Amino acid sequence: AQSVTQPDIHITVSEGASLELRCNYSYGATPYLFWYVQSPGQGLQLLLKYFSGDTLVQGIKGFEAEFKRSQSSFNLRKPSVHWSDAAEYFCAVGLMNRDDKIIFGKGTRLHILP
Amino acid sequence: GAVVSQHPSRVICKSGTSVKIECRSLDFQATTMFWYRQFPKQSLMLMATSNEGSKATYEQGVEKDKFLINHASLTLSTLTVTSAHPEDSSFYICSARERGLAWNEQFFGPGTRLTVL
Repeated sequence: AQSVTQPDIHITVSEGASLELRCNYSYGATPYLFWYVQSPGQGLQLLLKYFSGDTLVQGIKGFEAEFKRSQSSFNLRKPSVHWSDAAEYFCAVGLMNRDDKIIFGKGTRLHILP
Repeated sequence: GAVVSQHPSRVICKSGTSVKIECRSLDFQATTMFWYRQFPKQSLMLMATSNEGSKATYEQGVEKDKFLINHASLTLSTLTVTSAHPEDSSFYICSARERGLAWNEQFFGPGTRLTVL
């Protein structure tokens, strides 16, 4: 069955430090992969997506993610975090030919230390 | 472009009443809309898929008589929580997929916080 695993429930980093949020997926076909960010009480904002092509994807707010098929991973990175990056981050996989459903991981809450 | 709105953003109601939540695609036509439910500090769980002009498809475990979904036009879907109870309190988020593309991402609304007293 399709699934998305975000192994880290919480991550704390200092402002200005680098960040990597992990995501692993299980899907039989080539996946469509997404990272979303959710601020408290808000909806979801798309950070970036991977459909095909270059496996290193650039997104908004200085985020990037790398698709590694051999590891079934799509980790999110940012070289230097800002206090405003504190939020919940969701990795997701889009299912082709299944009404285009999206399966979400459980999320990683990012805390920023001043 | 690709803006999805939800109304209301917050609603508080008494147990036993029904609540309607609207989801609108403001600048595109949405053939498919999705309804999610999010419990505090948890992920989004897909409740149902709504295609314009046809009945919604509910995920396993979701009561279709409890959560009525109507997708009457290409820009509007509604979710009605019937006879709401405190356990229905949650954050409800809709998303919409644009018409005409082979596969497309979903655009998410800002969510509706439902509190049932």
